[in-house]
Amino acid sequence: SQELEQSPQSLIVQEGKNLTINCTSSKTLYGLYWYKQKYGEGLIFLMMLQKGGEEKSHEKITAKLDEKKQQSSLHITASQPSHAGIYLCGADMEYGNKLVFGAGTILRVKS
Amino acid sequence: DVKVTQSSRYLVKRTGEKVFLECVQDMDHENMFWYRQDPGLGLRLIYFSYDVKMKEKGDIPEGYSVSREKKERFSLILESASTNQTSMYLCASSLWSLAGGPGELFFGEGSRLTVL
Repeated sequence: SQELEQSPQSLIVQEGKNLTINCTSSKTLYGLYWYKQKYGEGLIFLMMLQKGGEEKSHEKITAKLDEKKQQSSLHITASQPSHAGIYLCGADMEYGNKLVFGAGTILRVKS
Repeated sequence: DVKVTQSSRYLVKRTGEKVFLECVQDMDHENMFWYRQDPGLGLRLIYFSYDVKMKEKGDIPEGYSVSREKKERFSLILESASTNQTSMYLCASSLWSLAGGPGELFFGEGSRLTVL
């Protein structure tokens, strides 16, 4: 969706390196969701952020929502081949309504 | 664990055929969604439903219809398939979150449809 811009579109990193994926909206985000997808499969939920300034971590993945609730970042520390896949952000942009998604970021991790 | 099951992983159909994609969830979720996913475009919402027999158009409903006769089942129908409907179709379900909004979506494995 053009309502949610993800950057970069794709990323190749050396194993062990850190990386950041961004998700930006021109509207206030009532809920921001990060998902991961292996090629040709369904989406796996990673994290949900709702409050401005909120930060959550799971294993080596940290997601933040900025104070204005218009941008989120996903940070992976010490990347591993298992982190490879497509990362998508989804957002609830109209309170109580559907989720819209960004176009996704393709991550490849070189061993 | 929540399970969302899509009836077919791979389908090949001919132009003009009627196509049914079935989705079943086993966690009594109110909300169900159909998305299509295309390279560079991400997920685009086709239709969603927040109750039995209720449906709402998403961003790209043209050429599609849906049916929700039972809470656990949400069907996507292509009345007359066309080549531009070749895509990956993803079904999802959710509960309303306590803070409002559609909540965490649980996705099926996807159905890859090719229309020749």
